[in-house]
Amino acid sequence: GEDVEQSLFLSVREGDSSVINCTYTDSSSTYLYWYKQEPGAGLQLLTYIFSNMDMKQDQRLTVLLNKKDKHLSLRIADTQTGDSAIYFCAESDGSQGNLIFGKGTKLSVKP
Amino acid sequence: DGGITQSPKYLFRKEGQNVTLSCEQNLNHDAMYWYRQDPGQGLRLIYYSQIVNDFQKGDIAEGYSVSREKKESFPLTVTSAQKNPTAFYLCASTQGSTGNTIYFGEGSWLTVV
Repeated sequence: GEDVEQSLFLSVREGDSSVINCTYTDSSSTYLYWYKQEPGAGLQLLTYIFSNMDMKQDQRLTVLLNKKDKHLSLRIADTQTGDSAIYFCAESDGSQGNLIFGKGTKLSVKP
Repeated sequence: DGGITQSPKYLFRKEGQNVTLSCEQNLNHDAMYWYRQDPGQGLRLIYYSQIVNDFQKGDIAEGYSVSREKKESFPLTVTSAQKNPTAFYLCASTQGSTGNTIYFGEGSWLTVV
């Protein structure tokens, strides 16, 4: 079945770039998503990319998609302490429109 | 403001009791979802509903029940049959077509005491 894999932890220093990686299995996924979750809160959509795109940039966020390798990454430039959160990668289930989530990457930003 | 409202935020349940979590959305979305989140487990889909009066089981539906009598409401009942109900529960909704953004509520913490 479909599966989404992410590393569980990432630690960076304030001002550095963060790169969070994700691999997925469903080649029919139309959209791929990045969500951010702060402690005790719901998920906030950060950005998404359509499967026919290689890259999408939105202010400090850059999403890269390698469809051949089924690899998705999220780069956060000039990482701030407010970026500390759990970041979830998700792919869309082509048949139902449901999302399949990874287990989340906890980003810790050190001052 | 438009959005998804979950209540209560925190809920304690005694073993053997059923409890119902509320989810209301005023986004006029067709599809609604319930996810369960455990530490280190990511989100797992419990139930979803693509349209009023219809719903389907997700990956971990056992011990849960839902109803979708109104478009804006999708309550989740955690029954006494759910063996390990302590978790963070997230409700979500989307317009319904693939590619439309899924929006989440702020979540409900359920603890069994």
